[in-house]
Amino acid sequence: DQQVKQNSPSLSVQEGRISILNCDYTNSMFDYFLWYKKYPAEGPTFLISISSIKDKNEDGRFTVFLNKSAKHLSLHIVPSQPGDSAVYFCAASETETSYDKVIFGPGTSLSVIP
Amino acid sequence: KAGVTQTPRYLIKTRGQQVTLSCSPISGHRSVSWYQQTPGQGLQFLFEYFSETQRNKGNFPGRFSGRQFSNSRSEMNVSTLELGDSALYLCASSVGQALTGELFFGEGSRLTVL
Repeated sequence: DQQVKQNSPSLSVQEGRISILNCDYTNSMFDYFLWYKKYPAEGPTFLISISSIKDKNEDGRFTVFLNKSAKHLSLHIVPSQPGDSAVYFCAASETETSYDKVIFGPGTSLSVIP
Repeated sequence: KAGVTQTPRYLIKTRGQQVTLSCSPISGHRSVSWYQQTPGQGLQFLFEYFSETQRNKGNFPGRFSGRQFSNSRSEMNVSTLELGDSALYLCASSVGQALTGELFFGEGSRLTVL
C-alpha cells in the first residue's frame, strides 16, 4: 500500500509553460513534504520542501502547494525549461526536527519540449 | 567537499548469490540511509543507520541487511538474490540530527540479477 502516490507517471509540457506535478498521501501523520529531482544516472537532489504549518512555499521558479485536508500537494514550475526534464519524486516524513524515514512516491517523469 | 560515493556502480549476479554494496557518506555525516529504486515503485526505503545503529527499517525481507562502521561508511547486503532484486540501490547521507531536505544521494549501484 503506497503511502505517497504520484498518479501521473509522465508529463509533457511546452517550454515556457507551467508544469504541475501532483502528489497525494494517505498517512495523516505526515507533517513534512519534499520534492526531489533526478536526472538519469544521477542520485536524486533536493528541490524544495514544505512543512504542514504552511500551505505554500516558493523558491524561484518552483512553488509547492499543500492542501492538508485533501492530503494533496503539488509542485509548480514556472516557466518550464528544457533543463527541468527529469523524474520528480514527492516525499513525506512524519517529522522535520528529528530524522525519520522518508517515504517516496513512485515519481513523475517530466519532459519539457523546446 | 566530496559527495556520497557508492561502489560498485554496476554489477551482475545470478539468482541465489549474495551481494554487498558500499556507501561512503559525506565527511561529517553520521546518518546513512538506503533506498531501492525500481520502475513504477519509485524509491523505497530500506533502512537507516546513525552512529552504527539501525534507527529505521523499511518493509523488506530479512535477506536485506546492512551495517554501519565507526567511520560512518555503510554496507548493505542482499543474500539469496532473486530476479526481483534487480534495481538501482541508492545511498543517502545526512548530518542525521534534523531532516531539512538535506539528504545527499550517491549515484547508486545498479544491480542486475540473472
